[in-house]
Parts: sequence; C-alpha cells; structure tokens
Amino acid sequence: QVQLQESGPGLVKPSETLSLTCTVSGGPITNYYWSWIRRPPGRGLEWIGYIIYRGRPNYNPSLRSRVTMSVDTSKNQFSLKLTSVTAADTAAYYCARLNRVATISGFDYHSMDIWGQGAPVTVSS
Amino acid sequence: DVVMTQSPLSLPVTPGEPASISCRSSQSLLHSSGYYYLDWYLQKPGQSPQLLIYLASNRASGVPDRFSGSGSGTDFTLTISRVEAEDAGVYYCMQTLQTRTFGQGTKVEIK
Repeated sequence: QVQLQESGPGLVKPSETLSLTCTVSGGPITNYYWSWIRRPPGRGLEWIGYIIYRGRPNYNPSLRSRVTMSVDTSKNQFSLKLTSVTAADTAAYYCARLNRVATISGFDYHSMDIWGQGAPVTVSS
Repeated sequence: DVVMTQSPLSLPVTPGEPASISCRSSQSLLHSSGYYYLDWYLQKPGQSPQLLIYLASNRASGVPDRFSGSGSGTDFTLTISRVEAEDAGVYYCMQTLQTRTFGQGTKVEIK
C-alpha cells in the first residue's frame, strides 16, 4: 500500500526559501505524477503544481516564478522549494499522487488518489 | 485562468436527507475526448483530502454510491442522496482542463 509522508521545517523566516520533501513508501516513484497542494489557515485548497520523473513540471501560474519541484528516485522522494516566502505562504502543505484513473479516447486522465497527512508551515520572523 | 465558484459555501444538513453542492466554472470544462475535466474532493476534519468523483460523474474506488456527480459545460453538481454523519467536511470541486484550480470549498455540517 502506497503511503506519502511530508517532512521539512515547520517555521520559515520571511524572504527565505521553504523546502519540503515527500517520501513515497510501498511503491515506485517513477511513472507517476506527483503533486503539491496547500491549504492556508481558514481558506480553501490551492494547487501548487505537479512533476513526473524525467518530465516537465507544471506549476500554478500564480506561483511559477517562485516554485521548483524535483524527483529523487534514489530516495523515492520528491521535493518542493518555494522562494521569497511571506506570511501569505503560511499553510498546511500536502503531497499527493496523481494516478491514472481512466483512459478515454486515447487520453489518460489523472486524479489525486493518495495524499500525505500534511505538513504545517508557518512563515514568521 | 479558469475560475471555479462553489455554492453554497456552508451547508447544514440533516442525516438521511439529500444534499447538493453546485460548482460553476468560468469556461467550459469539455475536453476534446468528450468528457468533462472536473474532480470532486472531500476533506474531513483533521484528515487529508480524498478523491470522490473524477471526470465529473465517475465515483472513485471505494466511494459509497450515495455520492454522485453530474453536469456539463460550466455547471456541475455533487449530490449526496442520503447524508450520513461521516459525510461532514469541506467539499471541493477542481477543474483539470487547464492546469488545476480548486473551488473555494463548501463546508457541510451535520445538524
């Protein structure tokens, strides 16, 4: 059974870089898309982006200039870096697997079927 | 950017009664495959989100059949035929046609 676990600092100073890692256990990291999503306190979910090993990442346009995602197959992990953080980046950060749930007319459709527990990150000095 | 608008934002429901949540997109979610690119997720209190519905009307594995999705074009609906206490939480629609965008969320509270 595949499980995901986020890890990283719970407190980041303004203007610094937020770094989180998601460890995938119980299954391979290759051949899947992997997502990051966040939920600021009192607000709804925000999609950050996704990546696949040896593929081009796809980022939320509103965050694209500050986001970098990567995959480390040797550790079965994928990572998120968000630069120049402010208090608005305070949120619970989730990693999730984008799995192919349907193939229709030659198109593969992917949805987020497995999620990590979430990692709270506070941006404060 | 595709903007997703849900209503209502808060929905008190009585166990055993039906409930519906509306989700409207700023542009059609019809893909060239003929399917609508929309998912529904539920985040229960203290838990991570879980997939309920994909491609607007397909239940994900393990999702009870009291949940159903419908709609076309820019208007979509999630319906719970008979609400149970365990259905409390925040429901989100998410479009997947152009990158991904969530709706604001609808908080379902059990009376």
